Amino acid sequence: DVKVTQSSRYLVKRTGEKVFLECVQDMDHENMFWYRQDPGLGLRLIYFSYDVKMKEKGDIPEGYSVSREKKERFSLILESASTNQTSMYLCASSPSGRANEQFFGPGTRLTVL
Amino acid sequence: GESVGLHLPTLSVQEGDNSIINCAYSNSASDYFIWYKQESGKGPQFIIDIRSNMDKRQGQRVTVLLNKTVKHLSLQIAATQPGDSAVYFCAENERAYSGGGADGLTFGKGTHLIIQP
Repeated sequence: DVKVTQSSRYLVKRTGEKVFLECVQDMDHENMFWYRQDPGLGLRLIYFSYDVKMKEKGDIPEGYSVSREKKERFSLILESASTNQTSMYLCASSPSGRANEQFFGPGTRLTVL
Repeated sequence: GESVGLHLPTLSVQEGDNSIINCAYSNSASDYFIWYKQESGKGPQFIIDIRSNMDKRQGQRVTVLLNKTVKHLSLQIAATQPGDSAVYFCAENERAYSGGGADGLTFGKGTHLIIQP
């Protein structure tokens, strides 16, 4: 089974802090994605990566950056956390050739105070 | 991508009945559609997908119907069980990406399926 793990299930940070959310997948997938999920808004794409060191902006990249130094790991960075970044963050991965069959991690619920 | 939405935010069905969850999309260029199930405290889980060149696809206890004329997608769950309680999302992409490349999916806002005993 594909396994996508996220470093924390719950995280509480203060406004202005730098926040790192880590995601690791164990199925050698080329593609990795970061979404945020908010009530009434569904899932929205922040950034994705189709290869090591490659990144592409999604629909809502403002206030975020990403890092993909290794194939299995995709990090989401909040340079200076703000209260409107309080959300559920979901990481996903998919194989090349079946990019839409995305496998999701359990999510990290981030609260910014 | 353009918005993908759902007709009803909550659907309540009796255990053993069939469930039908609907989804309307607006992007006529959408080529690939997928249904996800999200249980409480978990990430979304793939259920079934369909390409735009098909109008029906069946899985185990689930069927997805696609009507491109009216831009409508539905998920039918046969003999609904308590374990089917979850939020169901439809999602789409303009490309199937079957030959490489990638893009994020555009998700609808979700329907909460509630199973009555």
